Amino acid sequence: AQTVTQSQPEMSVQEAETVTLSCTYDTSENNYYLFWYKQPPSRQMILVIRQEAYKQQNATENRFSVNFQKAAKSFSLKISDSQLGDTAMYFCAFFFHYGGATNKLIFGTGTLLAVQP
Amino acid sequence: GAGVSQSPRYKVAKRGQDVALRCDPISGHVSLFWYQQALGQGPEFLTYFQNEAQLDKSGLPSDRFFAERPEGSVSTLKIQRTQQEDSAVYLCASSLKGVGTSHSYEQYFGPGTRLTVT
Repeated sequence: AQTVTQSQPEMSVQEAETVTLSCTYDTSENNYYLFWYKQPPSRQMILVIRQEAYKQQNATENRFSVNFQKAAKSFSLKISDSQLGDTAMYFCAFFFHYGGATNKLIFGTGTLLAVQP
Repeated sequence: GAGVSQSPRYKVAKRGQDVALRCDPISGHVSLFWYQQALGQGPEFLTYFQNEAQLDKSGLPSDRFFAERPEGSVSTLKIQRTQQEDSAVYLCASSLKGVGTSHSYEQYFGPGTRLTVT
């Protein structure tokens, strides 16, 4: 069974600084997808960044980038130039496509990020 | 275009009551998911539909939970004889599930229904 672990329940960063959120996962599969989702307080979950496991290049989306280490099963999120609007719960999630029978995201327990002015 | 919508946004139910939670996915999205998110936790999978077919209901915690998507668009999650442990946010998500592109697996979430059982 696949599991996702986020070992940092809470983190804090100063505005304009850089922060890295950690995520590790466990799977025996070779082809899968990894995601970081952001859930602001009382607002809905939105996708921040995605990574296909077969791609060696790390994904980037503006100020957000990942460090994907497939052998180590590690998938960290780096937020550069942190902004107050980045304050949210961040979830790492794993997805494996079983060919139609089962498709589901497996989430970690989340990291609450607070950006300080 | 419109995103995923859910109603009601908040629901308070007395223990033992039945509740029905509605999800309107993004138009044209084939796949629909229900997740349960307890306070301070990550969402946990409940069930998955591809069009009107419920292909996976392995996450439903008991036979008091029932989901349907009769016409392949709107879905309803029903909880019978609610218990206090059912208190949570229920999230609905949809995805396009096209073929040949990883973006087809991206799930778009609704705002959730916060259920409180007293």
